[in-house]
Amino acid sequence: NAGVTQTPKFQVLKTGQSMTLQCAQDMNHEYMSWYRQDPGMGLRLIHYSVGAGITDQGEVPNGYNVSRSTTEDFPLRLLSAAPSQTSVYFCASSYEPGGPNTQYFGPGTRLTVL
Amino acid sequence: DQQVKQNSPSLSVQEGRISILNCDYTNSMFDYFLWYKKYPAEGPTFLISISSIKDKNEDGRFTVFLNKSAKHLSLHIVPSQPGDSAVYFCAASLKQGAQKLVFGQGTRLTINP
Repeated sequence: NAGVTQTPKFQVLKTGQSMTLQCAQDMNHEYMSWYRQDPGMGLRLIHYSVGAGITDQGEVPNGYNVSRSTTEDFPLRLLSAAPSQTSVYFCASSYEPGGPNTQYFGPGTRLTVL
Repeated sequence: DQQVKQNSPSLSVQEGRISILNCDYTNSMFDYFLWYKKYPAEGPTFLISISSIKDKNEDGRFTVFLNKSAKHLSLHIVPSQPGDSAVYFCAASLKQGAQKLVFGQGTRLTINP
């Protein structure tokens, strides 16, 4: 089991560019989510999904889009990057919406927007 | 509005002693609490959790205490080991199994030999 994988590990963008952060899990987890970590702020939920075809907004969704076409993959899209989106992004997955709340995190993507 | 707060950004403890990390929350509807540990350049890993129907949960060297009336929880690590040096996040959710976690800011724990 690879667990939760994220690509790329690092990325530098210019303001206005678009990109997709990839996230995949091989644990057959229904629930997946995206967080961003900023200094002094902890982790904040961006978007989450309770299963293929179902997504919802978290605490800080503006500027990000998600889709969930398969159980395994949950990409995060930045349509027009802004310096405020400079952060470390973590993807997580867990067993099922009604089950124990043990989320497994990927290693993160460090994004810099110039 | 920070619903989950860890007011100590850092903590330094001697190896072998007890480490106590604190966390306060404001939303009385939170029902389930978790602690995560994070090493540099890695994702957070789950450490221990507690339901609001309990006031204590133990797992080896780690114990979490919950004081609902004070809206306060703490993580005790005893004895502390050098490998415990990491950033610790507390998190809360509205019910066990609810997937929207609210995290605190984190506390960097350093264990000195």
